[in-house]
Amino acid sequence: DAKTTQPNSMESNEEEPVHLPCNHSTISGTDYIHWYRQLPSQGPEYVIHGLTSNVNNRMASLAIAEDRKSSTLILHRATLRDAAVYYCILTPLYAQKLVFGQGTRLTINP
Amino acid sequence: DTAVSQTPKYLVTQMGNDKSIKCEQNLGHDTMYWYKQDSKKFLKIMFSYNNKELIINETVPNRFSPKSPDKAHLNLHINSLELGDSAVYFCASSLMGLSVGNEQFFGPGTRLTVL
Repeated sequence: DAKTTQPNSMESNEEEPVHLPCNHSTISGTDYIHWYRQLPSQGPEYVIHGLTSNVNNRMASLAIAEDRKSSTLILHRATLRDAAVYYCILTPLYAQKLVFGQGTRLTINP
Repeated sequence: DTAVSQTPKYLVTQMGNDKSIKCEQNLGHDTMYWYKQDSKKFLKIMFSYNNKELIINETVPNRFSPKSPDKAHLNLHINSLELGDSAVYFCASSLMGLSVGNEQFFGPGTRLTVL
């Protein structure tokens, strides 16, 4: 499984944008980039995923580098509820499982 | 309506006992999973079932036996519980595995404590 590297922790302020980076230099051409997050005492929840192009949904945006060796999850206006561990996961086409790394613990200051 | 539900939410038991955790999904998904999150918070897949058939078994001890009576349910039975089994167990489901980027939906977790 291709590996991802994320900072252990990040901190931001409420109502400001947050950019969560992820490096995946060994990504292959058919690997999807998934982001999940885990709020305290809850199960992980899907945030967004992409393959090559940037993606937007109601929760976040995903910016994928042109060479696909890195990506950035963007929370446009962080709220206290966004405090969570964010996982960047590569999943091969027709993958049967998610392989979680250590993720980035995001703290949001009021 | 809860999409993926697990029971019980908490389970405290003695070493050596046998216990089960139940999982149900009402999303009409084909594939269900069990993950384990240990005390260091690492989340790791244990099993995956597709339409009641086992497709992933990640070298989990034989004491753990998943059972899928139908595609909406995946239960986890654990025999002869050990201290190291203490963890949070998450059930998840997805449509047709993770094909073309399908997302997984996770349950709220079952915190198992073995004394």
